Amino acid sequence: AQSVTQLDSQVPVFEEAPVELRCNYSSSVSVYLFWYVQYPNQGLQLLLKYLSGSTLVKGINGFEAEFNKSQTSFHLRKPSVHISDTAEYFCAVSPLSGNTPLVFGKGTRLSVIA
Amino acid sequence: AAGVIQSPRHLIKEKRETATLKCYPIPRHDTVYWYQQGPGQDPQFLISFYEKMQSDKGSIPDRFSAQQFSDYHSELNMSSLELGDSALYFCASSLWGQANEKLFFGSGTQLSVL
Repeated sequence: AQSVTQLDSQVPVFEEAPVELRCNYSSSVSVYLFWYVQYPNQGLQLLLKYLSGSTLVKGINGFEAEFNKSQTSFHLRKPSVHISDTAEYFCAVSPLSGNTPLVFGKGTRLSVIA
Repeated sequence: AAGVIQSPRHLIKEKRETATLKCYPIPRHDTVYWYQQGPGQDPQFLISFYEKMQSDKGSIPDRFSAQQFSDYHSELNMSSLELGDSALYFCASSLWGQANEKLFFGSGTQLSVL
């Protein structure tokens, strides 16, 4: 079975500052890794995903994440945040079998302060 | 491009009533997943279907049932509603074998049980 730990439930940050949202996972098999964003009263939108290849993954809205297999981490970063980045961010994992449902972390609430 | 369509967007029910949520996957997607997200919680997998057959089962209560029809749309039927069933219910669709590489979420149905 897989599990995901998002180390911070809330992250406040000033506008134009950099941010890192932390995610660690546990799995006995190789996995795919994902970050989703959820804006207030909306559904889940895929930010980026790691399937294979380069460990640095670039996503939408200027976000990127780095897969670190030895540390079982997949931290999300953005060099300069905007007010519009205020949202809930979910890290998720699935095994490579392709059809096993995603397992989500508890989420991190990013609040960007003007 | 067409996305995953869920209806209704919002639903208000009283305790002990029944509710039916519908999900229309992206055209040609044959696999549907249902997730439940309680207030301030991470999405929890309920159940999934492939080619009208249940493919996986998560934490779906016995009071709930679901099915997938020949046109691949799916319905989640909820009976004897409880206050704790108030949540955002997501549907996601994919092609079998590509689920977690190309998974698309709908905007969800917000169910409020009074």
